[in-house]
Amino acid sequence: AQSVSQHNHHVILSEAASLELGCNYSYGGTVNLFWYVQYPGQHLQLLLKYFSGDPLVKGIKGFEAEFIKSKFSFNLRKPSVQWSDTAEYFCAVSRYGNNRLAFGKGNQVVVIP
Amino acid sequence: EPEVTQTPSHQVTQMGQEVILRCVPISNHLYFYWYRQILGQKVEFLVSFYNNEISEKSEIFDDQFSVERPDGSNFTLKIRSTKLEDSAMYFCASSWLGEINIQYFGAGTRLSVL
Repeated sequence: AQSVSQHNHHVILSEAASLELGCNYSYGGTVNLFWYVQYPGQHLQLLLKYFSGDPLVKGIKGFEAEFIKSKFSFNLRKPSVQWSDTAEYFCAVSRYGNNRLAFGKGNQVVVIP
Repeated sequence: EPEVTQTPSHQVTQMGQEVILRCVPISNHLYFYWYRQILGQKVEFLVSFYNNEISEKSEIFDDQFSVERPDGSNFTLKIRSTKLEDSAMYFCASSWLGEINIQYFGAGTRLSVL
């Protein structure tokens, strides 16, 4: 079964700092890659996705992620965070042709004003 | 923006009781899913559902679990005889035919089994 790894479960940083969250997956075939965000008390929302094409994808709220196939990675970045980015961030992977999502454990990000 | 809605937000039940968790997917969506997240663990896939039947289920989804689309709007997850280890956050998701790989999630139902 595929697995998804996210490290540094708790991240605390100040406003305007840069954020990078790592995501690695174990499946060797073609994959679809996602980052979801869950703000306090809210539902999981899609931040960005990669299916094919340009490995650098841009999502909402200034987030971007880079797919590096050779490293089985899909790291999330934001150059300058805001207090409103305080949330839990989940990386998820599905195999091509299959909708079943495998999630990482999540990163709890706290941005201090 | 259309949302997946789940009720109740918190369900408390006694061990051995049956519970039904309810979800209203986005109206034009045709693919439905249940996931769960035990406290401190990953979100785990339970089941996917399309065209009134289960498309795929995980090893977690044993005979204690069932899903149903009783009418045109609701999608339910039933746990027949709850166990302590069923305590978790249960998420419903849906996707539409034009973009089946993108799942839209509800806010979840927290199930507490006492």
